[in-house]
Amino acid sequence: GQQVQQSPSSLVLQEGENAELQCNFSSTATQLQWFYQSPGGSLVSLLSNPSGTKHTGRLTSTTVTKERRSSLHISSSQTTDSGTYLCAIEESSGSWQLIFGSGTQLTVMP
Amino acid sequence: EAAVTQSPRSKVAVTGGKVTLSCHQTNNHDYMYWYRQDTGHGLRLIHYSYVADSTEKGDIPDGYKASRPSQENFSLILELASLSQTAVYFCASSERQGALAEQFFGPGTRLTVL
Repeated sequence: GQQVQQSPSSLVLQEGENAELQCNFSSTATQLQWFYQSPGGSLVSLLSNPSGTKHTGRLTSTTVTKERRSSLHISSSQTTDSGTYLCAIEESSGSWQLIFGSGTQLTVMP
Repeated sequence: EAAVTQSPRSKVAVTGGKVTLSCHQTNNHDYMYWYRQDTGHGLRLIHYSYVADSTEKGDIPDGYKASRPSQENFSLILELASLSQTAVYFCASSERQGALAEQFFGPGTRLTVL
């Protein structure tokens, strides 16, 4: 079945530095979403990006469908960006279910 | 403001006991989902529903039942709780099906089975 691998598993930055998170998946995906999970556990959807490049605020996601990879770039990181970033994909097989990666735990130090 | 709420927020259960987790949404969404998250891992889909009085199996339904008595409410039932069901459970809702539809998540329920 579909597998979603995220890297790195954890990342520590100083405030103001940029972060680059990676998501690789094992088979073609029709949709890809990035989620943020706060240290308290709450989940929010950041953006959907099945292909190409999408920007929202300080976030930029680039998905190369043929290469089965996506990245999430966070510019000028802030301490409030600390948390876990999850990548989820929808398989092209027609099953609409989201398959989640294990996440990247980001810590931004002041 | 539209929201997804869950109750209880945490629960300790004994092995073999019955556990019911509740979810309520005010988003007016047709689709609702139950996921579990194990420490250090992503979410896995247990059950979902697209209409009241109907539920569907997700990736890992074994050991779980679901109930959707109304559009707003979706419950997850563990008839015989086991140690392996210790996890954080998330409920979510969406306007339509699939990853194209943004899913709105509840705050989660931390379940510990002893």
